[in-house]
Amino acid sequence: SQQGEEDPQALSIQEGENATMNCSYKTSINNLQWYRQNSGRGLVHLILIRSNEREKHSGRLRVTLDTSKKSSSLLITASRAADTASYFCASRSNDYKLSFGAGTTVTVRA
Amino acid sequence: DGGITQSPKYLFRKEGQNVTLSCEQNLNHDAMYWYRQDPGQGLRLIYYSQIVNDFQKGDIAEGYSVSREKKESFPLTVTSAQKNPTAFYLCASSNRDEQYFGPGTRLTVT
Repeated sequence: SQQGEEDPQALSIQEGENATMNCSYKTSINNLQWYRQNSGRGLVHLILIRSNEREKHSGRLRVTLDTSKKSSSLLITASRAADTASYFCASRSNDYKLSFGAGTTVTVRA
Repeated sequence: DGGITQSPKYLFRKEGQNVTLSCEQNLNHDAMYWYRQDPGQGLRLIYYSQIVNDFQKGDIAEGYSVSREKKESFPLTVTSAQKNPTAFYLCASSNRDEQYFGPGTRLTVT
């Protein structure tokens, strides 16, 4: 069963704007990861945040984690047309398995 | 798509036929996974293997079978018992936390 839920389901922004998407999960986690999927392709790992971390940055990506609320957010700053994709959060408990959310589809308009 | 290959990219089968999807990795990863993705949804885990000659059922294993005879290979068979096999199938591998995905196989059963 899917553990995560993502919000919003879809997001349309102008190039240069920031995009924020949220993820909630249900059980205790070891870490939470974000992936990107371009249409019809495989997923690409973006960033991982561990349960003892609250914020992490990677280039134009900023991830936060609030374990008390069982939620995470992904911020993409200064968006580009190439950021158009679906973004998935995936939570990992104390095993090798990941539980994926349903994803947020981001469209960046030129 | 890293060092994971899936073939073929598109596959068409008649109802009642078994079909095997290929997944090969050259990343020397111990763990491999099979996911199913339906339109507008996240990934659901079918089977996973943490080591050669061992594998476990995921959340939706009914109607599927796998083998792990070699570290590099983790083929998935979609049997005629799978009631709704038309979907996008993704294979992944990992050594620790992040997973590396193949490009996917889109299976259509008519």
